[in-house]
Amino acid sequence: DGGITQSPKYLFRKEGQNVTLSCEQNLNHDAMYWYRQDPGQGLRLIYYSQIVNDFQKGDIAEGYSVSREKKESFPLTVTSAQKNPTAFYLCASSLLGQQETQYFGPGTRLLVL
Amino acid sequence: AQSVTQLDSQVPVFEEAPVELRCNYSSSVSVYLFWYVQYPNQGLQLLLKYLSGSTLVKGINGFEAEFNKSQTSFHLRKPSVHISDTAEYFCAVSDLVQGAQKLVFGQGTRLTINP
Repeated sequence: DGGITQSPKYLFRKEGQNVTLSCEQNLNHDAMYWYRQDPGQGLRLIYYSQIVNDFQKGDIAEGYSVSREKKESFPLTVTSAQKNPTAFYLCASSLLGQQETQYFGPGTRLLVL
Repeated sequence: AQSVTQLDSQVPVFEEAPVELRCNYSSSVSVYLFWYVQYPNQGLQLLLKYLSGSTLVKGINGFEAEFNKSQTSFHLRKPSVHISDTAEYFCAVSDLVQGAQKLVFGQGTRLTINP
């Protein structure tokens, strides 16, 4: 089955801790994205990548970091600098192009202890 | 930069009634529009998209949307809803930033179907 997987489904972070959210896709898509979803605010773009070893900041990149060492994988690290990390995080991927559909993973809910 | 406005944050309807979820976008030369559905604690699933051609777009689960360039709208409709349509619906416009696609989402409309 082709698709996007995210793990874990739930993640708990302690104060001052960095945590990493996993995103893997087997759709052979070049582009991958990370979004943050808060109630009543829709989805906001954190980072995106169009090619291996290259990525760009989205609208709310502060306190987050990413890497793209493999085409299939785009992990997101929520650093201790992100003061309000509690949210639902969604990963997506697509072919390159403005008309392409973005396909979403099932999401990871991050909670702060 | 493009923007999207979903005019209703919540829409309650009775089962088997028709529904319209409203979406307006900022005007642009090229417009590519999407509707996604999100069931509780899940990711987003594409319902339908408008790229070009016919202004009436049919999607999955009996939904359709009409692209109206003069009113800069892309409203989503279903003639008869089912309990299983209870979900949050997002309208999005595709922008191009430094050669990369960027989806700009509306704030979402929560559709609640009452029996």
